[in-house]
Amino acid sequence: GQQLNQSPQSMFIQEGEDVSMNCTSSSIFNTWLWYKQDPGEGPVLLIALYKAGELTSNGRLTAQFGITRKDSFLNISASIPSDVGIYFCAGLPKLGAGSYQLTFGKGTKLSVIP
Amino acid sequence: EAEVAQSPRYKITEKSQAVAFWCDPISGHATLYWYRQILGQGPELLVQFQDESVVDDSQLPKDRFSAERLKGVDSTLKIQPAELGDSAMYLCASSLGTSDYNEQFFGPGTRLTVL
Repeated sequence: GQQLNQSPQSMFIQEGEDVSMNCTSSSIFNTWLWYKQDPGEGPVLLIALYKAGELTSNGRLTAQFGITRKDSFLNISASIPSDVGIYFCAGLPKLGAGSYQLTFGKGTKLSVIP
Repeated sequence: EAEVAQSPRYKITEKSQAVAFWCDPISGHATLYWYRQILGQGPELLVQFQDESVVDDSQLPKDRFSAERLKGVDSTLKIQPAELGDSAMYLCASSLGTSDYNEQFFGPGTRLTVL
């Protein structure tokens, strides 16, 4: 199935540093979502974006819905050890009524060095 | 706090055997999803239920996979026969399910290994 282009694939950062990751698509999406997945667990929603140009924050996390509707980015400020995990972007196109087929990126694996 | 329950958490089977996974969504959630997540990739939707009805199963390999949600509550995903390439994490998610998109809450998944 289709997947989004998410980058970087992995990153190692020092505790306290800021992190930035992004997602691009050849298709337009009506909704962009960012999830975090810890080992052996299911993804947990961090931020949801519903309008082009929207900038939304959740604590130290900030995400933006690109104007073209084909991209989104996630920033994490002042990283801490518990930020370790895999971050996924997901897009939701405008489908038929009731069908909500999320398309996920391949993930960005974040490692934080204390 | 309400959670999506899945069992088993881990399953090891030999190829050509049948396997089944169970999911109990958050109470009151009408929409249920099954995803497959191959190691190193994001989840891919297999099937979506609205109550007991299938809304989208376009990505479900129907020659060997089947899913049911008979009473519109819990759901079972079956693979028969299992193949080596089926090794993956199988995730269940649920949402309130109205006409607008609602947040999907994921369960912990079932890790399947086919030998």
